[in-house]
Amino acid sequence: KAGVTQTPRYLIKTRGQQVTLSCSPISGHRSVSWYQQTPGQGLQFLFEYFSETQRNKGNFPGRFSGRQFSNSRSEMNVSTLELGDSALYLCASSPTGGSGNTIYFGEGSWLTVV
Amino acid sequence: LAKTTQPISMDSYEGQEVNITCSHNNIATNDYITWYQQFPSQGPRFIIQGYKTKVTNEVASLFIPADRKSSTLSLPRVSLSDTAVYYCLVGAYNAGNMLTFGGGTRLMVKP
Repeated sequence: KAGVTQTPRYLIKTRGQQVTLSCSPISGHRSVSWYQQTPGQGLQFLFEYFSETQRNKGNFPGRFSGRQFSNSRSEMNVSTLELGDSALYLCASSPTGGSGNTIYFGEGSWLTVV
Repeated sequence: LAKTTQPISMDSYEGQEVNITCSHNNIATNDYITWYQQFPSQGPRFIIQGYKTKVTNEVASLFIPADRKSSTLSLPRVSLSDTAVYYCLVGAYNAGNMLTFGGGTRLMVKP
C-alpha cells in the first residue's frame, strides 16, 4: 500500500508570492491533516480535513488555507509568502481521525522563501 | 491533549537496548500513547501505539504502567541508523487529528 505522497518535495518562492502544496493520503484514509515544522517552533498543527470539511484549525493566520477533494486528496495554500514561512510542511493521513487511529506522515514539502 | 515530558537527548552505543521514558501525568481515560521517529528532513515515522500494559512489534516495545502516567519506548539492539528524534504523543485524536508535538528526544547512537 502506498504511503502519504506529497508534492512538490522542494520549492523556492519569493516573498509576496503564493504557493500550493499537494497531498495524496493513504488509500482509504479520509482524514488529512497538515503540519508546519521549523527549527524554532517545532511541529505545529495547521488544520485537518475529513470528508471535504475542515474539522479543526491551528493557530495560524488566514494566509494559510486548505481544502480537500472528494477523493480525499488535499491541498494547502499559503498566500503572500513571508520569509518566516520557510519550513517543512507535512501532510498526515488516518482512516477517520478518531480515537486510536494511527496517523501516518508524508515526507514533506520543503518550502524556502527568499 | 495531555502534555508530555521526555528527555531532550540520549546517547547510546550500537547493540545496546535503549529505553526512552515519557511522562504524561494528565493522560485522559480514552487517550492512546503513540511514538514517532523522525530523521532530518523527513516526516515522522510511526513506531508504535498502545493504551495499556505492553505492546510489541517488529521494531520496538512500549511499556505502559497501570496508572498510565508514563510510558517507555524500548528499542532493542540499536544501530547507527536509529539515530533520530523520537516523539511521544498522547491523545485521543478526536475529530481533528490535532497532534501536539513536544520537543522530542534526540537519540545519538555511537559506534
